[in-house]
Amino acid sequence: AQSVTQPDIHITVSEGASLELRCNYSYGATPYLFWYVQSPGQGLQLLLKYFSGDTLVQGIKGFEAEFKRSQSSFNLRKPSVHWSDAAEYFCAVGFTSGTYKYIFGTGTRLKVLA
Amino acid sequence: DTEVTQTPKHLVMGMTNKKSLKCEQHMGHRAMYWYKQKAKKPPELMFVYSYEKLSINESVPSRFSPECPNSSLLNLHLHALQPEDSALYLCASSQAWTGANYGYTFGSGTRLTVV
Repeated sequence: AQSVTQPDIHITVSEGASLELRCNYSYGATPYLFWYVQSPGQGLQLLLKYFSGDTLVQGIKGFEAEFKRSQSSFNLRKPSVHWSDAAEYFCAVGFTSGTYKYIFGTGTRLKVLA
Repeated sequence: DTEVTQTPKHLVMGMTNKKSLKCEQHMGHRAMYWYKQKAKKPPELMFVYSYEKLSINESVPSRFSPECPNSSLLNLHLHALQPEDSALYLCASSQAWTGANYGYTFGSGTRLTVV
């Protein structure tokens, strides 16, 4: 069955440190891939997306993500984290299986230490 | 205008009340969605409207009734809710529903409390 997994429920990093959030998917072909961020009590904001072409995609707020077909992964990275990046991050995949499906991962909560 | 606007931001309602949540977008998007999000969980899809027609109903109880009066507006009518329906209700839109490499634009949500 198709699925998306975010293995890390919580991640804590120090301000200025680098960040990598993991996302793995299970699907027979390359799905559409997305990362969203959600600040407390707010809606989700699209950070970036991938559907074809260059496997390294740039997004807003200084984030980037790399698609690795061999690992069925789409990990989110940021070279230097700011305190304002503390939030919940959701990976999402879109694919067609009979009808179109859009699945969110369970989320990773990022805490940033000053 | 690149926003999805939801009103009200907060709503407290009794189990016998009738209320409505409203959502508006002016980006020309032709797909609109209602999601329910419980604390520390990902959003769960409730309904999809594509070109103002209901395309997906994820087996949502009939106490939730969606309505799409036009391409810019989406309502969620609430009646006889239960306390377990308390959650953040998110509206989203995208350029289209199927064939979608489109990301979603979300509103900031309505925090609903059923007492």
